[in-house]
Amino acid sequence: DIQMTQSPSSLSASVGDRVTITCRASQGIGNNLAWYQQKPGKVPKLLIYAASTLQSGVPSRVSGSGSGTDFTLTISSLQPEDVATYYCQKYNSAPLTFGGGTKVELK
Amino acid sequence: EVQLVQSGGEVKKPGESLKISCKASGFSFTKYWIGWVRQMPGEGLEWMGMIYPGDSETRYSPSFQGQVTISADKSITTTYLQWSSLEASDTAMYYCARGPPGGNWLQPNDYWGQGTLVTVSS
Repeated sequence: DIQMTQSPSSLSASVGDRVTITCRASQGIGNNLAWYQQKPGKVPKLLIYAASTLQSGVPSRVSGSGSGTDFTLTISSLQPEDVATYYCQKYNSAPLTFGGGTKVELK
Repeated sequence: EVQLVQSGGEVKKPGESLKISCKASGFSFTKYWIGWVRQMPGEGLEWMGMIYPGDSETRYSPSFQGQVTISADKSITTTYLQWSSLEASDTAMYYCARGPPGGNWLQPNDYWGQGTLVTVSS
């Protein structure tokens, strides 16, 4: 099975900072990658699919990039409402594996 | 409005059976895949499998194949996740989530249920 590795596992940043999260696949997955946001005690929310396409309603400060094995989620200016754990998920083939998650906190 | 409403939390003993549900509304139930995702306490998300209610075709993660059964009842637009013999390690939050419409099932989940907390303890 293809493994999905996220880094860092956690980070602390200030409001207004640029935040970058990386997701690496153990084999190429094309652009078949999604990003989810899960706020504390809440349900996961789809942010990005096809590596870089924003789901409807997601603020434009959020962006995704990458293809093949290396992917990035970027929040251009961190806001308090962005405090959450972020997960990548590959969906090129079964199983639809998630990364281990990146917890984003405010400094 | 797309909604997935899951059944309430459960407290069970090891060895007991369980079936939790996810009722869909606001979209054509038989034309979308519905998936299940596990989240153990303090841990990340794990994809368990999916079902296409139109014909009950299912796909399972190898990690969950044989451990759980995913099913659907078209007449009441509800999907189910069931265990025949629970273990303490099944303690987790379980989410249902809508997948893509028919055809290519290899797509992410756009709408999620509120989750069902299953606690297995003697």
